[in-house]
Amino acid sequence: RKEVEQDPGPFNVPEGATVAFNCTYSNSASQSFFWYRQDCRKEPKLLMSVYSSGNEDGRFTAQLNRASQYISLLIRDSKLSDSATYLCVPDGSGNTGKLIFGQGTTLQVKP
Amino acid sequence: EPEVTQTPSHQVTQMGQEVILRCVPISNHLYFYWYRQILGQKVEFLVSFYNNEISEKSEIFDDQFSVERPDGSNFTLKIRSTKLEDSAMYFCASSLKYGYTFGSGTRLTVV
Repeated sequence: RKEVEQDPGPFNVPEGATVAFNCTYSNSASQSFFWYRQDCRKEPKLLMSVYSSGNEDGRFTAQLNRASQYISLLIRDSKLSDSATYLCVPDGSGNTGKLIFGQGTTLQVKP
Repeated sequence: EPEVTQTPSHQVTQMGQEVILRCVPISNHLYFYWYRQILGQKVEFLVSFYNNEISEKSEIFDDQFSVERPDGSNFTLKIRSTKLEDSAMYFCASSLKYGYTFGSGTRLTVV
């Protein structure tokens, strides 16, 4: 089983749509979880941390289900600028801060 | 906003040559990392560095790779004898604990 599995997409949605990305991870010892976004040939940028209770940041909502080892990201009212690859990133457990990146899900928001 | 600076942005080198990729992490950060991303593939962990020593390294980080923090501000990745398959984007990152900041990367092309 892959360490992090994401549907690669692409997800093609119109502006204003709501879109959800799912992710599963294999390391049950992972403690911290993040969503990063990556634009083409750029560095990953932290979008949000994911907390056990679920958390929201503006149009973005993240959920974590530790029992199922499942993480989700919901984007409401999609903007053209949301077009990017979204990376599901659990930590590698241990105390070194290592992160395990998924392949990413590509989102294309169209006018 | 503080940022992680990487130089050069693009380096072309001949197979078998040594390269040094340079990074200036955010000044009060304690944890330092190198990741790489081969074109079209996922971001892969190479090494983490804390308290002036390597805290974890991946299988990719073999004897051809080394890291150094020579002067308290720079953080370098050296590849002793480059191979064609070392061609990738190399990202440096730093953190206080969680939630990295990545540099904009060095694109290494081995010819």
